[in-house]
Amino acid sequence: DAGVTQSPTHLIKTRGQQVTLRCSPKSGHDTVSWYQQALGQGPQFIFQYYEEEERQRGNFPDRFSGHQFPNYSSELNVNALLLGDSALYLCASSLRRGNEQFFGPGTRLTVL
Amino acid sequence: GQQLNQSPQSMFIQEGEDVSMNCTSSSIFNTWLWYKQDPGEGPVLLIALYKAGELTSNGRLTAQFGITRKDSFLNISASIPSDVGIYFCAGVPGANSKLTFGKGITLSVRP
Repeated sequence: DAGVTQSPTHLIKTRGQQVTLRCSPKSGHDTVSWYQQALGQGPQFIFQYYEEEERQRGNFPDRFSGHQFPNYSSELNVNALLLGDSALYLCASSLRRGNEQFFGPGTRLTVL
Repeated sequence: GQQLNQSPQSMFIQEGEDVSMNCTSSSIFNTWLWYKQDPGEGPVLLIALYKAGELTSNGRLTAQFGITRKDSFLNISASIPSDVGIYFCAGVPGANSKLTFGKGITLSVRP
């Protein structure tokens, strides 16, 4: 049973650049949520995708956008990167927007 | 916004001891979840709670959904070295599935 996978594992970008992170949900899941985890903090909700639409959004600017594909995989895009965007980006999947969310290993983004 | 409070930030226990940690909020939550995160990994779901007063176990772990729906507790019995990690509580306020996390408690277990 394949768990949640994310790519890449690590990424280094410079200020102003754009980045795309990818997530494949756990087998059988159809909902993907994205979280940002700063060092020493708990994950912060960015947004959730279900049926290829953004269903909920946390307190993040429009520089953060996403997409969900027909196979339920998802992308997180961040434009005009800031130093403060450096964090671990976590993807979590669930079934029909359920509360039991299973996390992937994350993508560590460093912005220089 | 809503915040979950977890304290202390760190706990140090001896192998074989029991440990309890709690999570409190000023708001009501309809679902409580407990996760464990190891360095460089994503959080792993330990226990999910759906009803006020509910007590649920997963091996040596037991968690409770507080009666007021504003708190939850996690107990680990007979701790072992692999219990080391960061323990997060997370709550869901309503019918949606947006998780709100606490800041986590770092657990260290001395052999």
